[in-house]
Amino acid sequence: AQSVAQPEDQVNVAEGNPLTVKCTYSVSGNPYLFWYVQYPNRGLQFLLKYITGDNLVKGSYGFEAEFNKSQTSFHLKKPSALVSDSALYFCAVRTRGSTLGRLYFGRGTQLTVWP
Amino acid sequence: GAVVSQHPSRVICKSGTSVKIECRSLDFQATTMFWYRQFPKKSLMLMATSNEGSKATYEQGVEKDKFLINHASLTLSTLTVTSAHPEDSSFYICSASLGRREETQYFGPGTRLLVL
Repeated sequence: AQSVAQPEDQVNVAEGNPLTVKCTYSVSGNPYLFWYVQYPNRGLQFLLKYITGDNLVKGSYGFEAEFNKSQTSFHLKKPSALVSDSALYFCAVRTRGSTLGRLYFGRGTQLTVWP
Repeated sequence: GAVVSQHPSRVICKSGTSVKIECRSLDFQATTMFWYRQFPKKSLMLMATSNEGSKATYEQGVEKDKFLINHASLTLSTLTVTSAHPEDSSFYICSASLGRREETQYFGPGTRLLVL
């Protein structure tokens, strides 16, 4: 069975500090990995994805994520957090063998950046 | 690019009535569209996957006769909540992809449904 774990419901950081939002996954086979962000009462916005190649993926708004196959992790990072980064973040995985393209989501991590 | 719209953004209806939600891919053709339901402070629950011109594939536990999905064209999918009840009140989000295996899903802004 495919699953995604985001172990932290809430992450709080001060503006200007680095942030990390954790994600681990369990899939059969090699995964496609995604990060999305959701602002209140809005849909999800795509941030970045890992398909193949370089394990460090850079995405929108200065975010990046590192694929670690041995640890089955795909943590989201940003060197310097902004108050506007405060939102709900979702990690998602898709298996390469999936013809329907179904995504499996983590439960989400609420990021709060205080001034 | 890759913009997905939903209409309406918010709807209030009486119990027993039906509500239709539209999902459109504005600048690309979506061979596959997905419908999700999100409860407050919860993750997304996939309801069904629809491919243009064929019947939707529903997830286990989702009533296909209650949540009717039609994917009539490569840019439009609709979700109709039939005989709505207060427990159907939720945030419904659609997404669309080109259907290639590695392709990203792009999400609509969501529709807030309140059934009185």
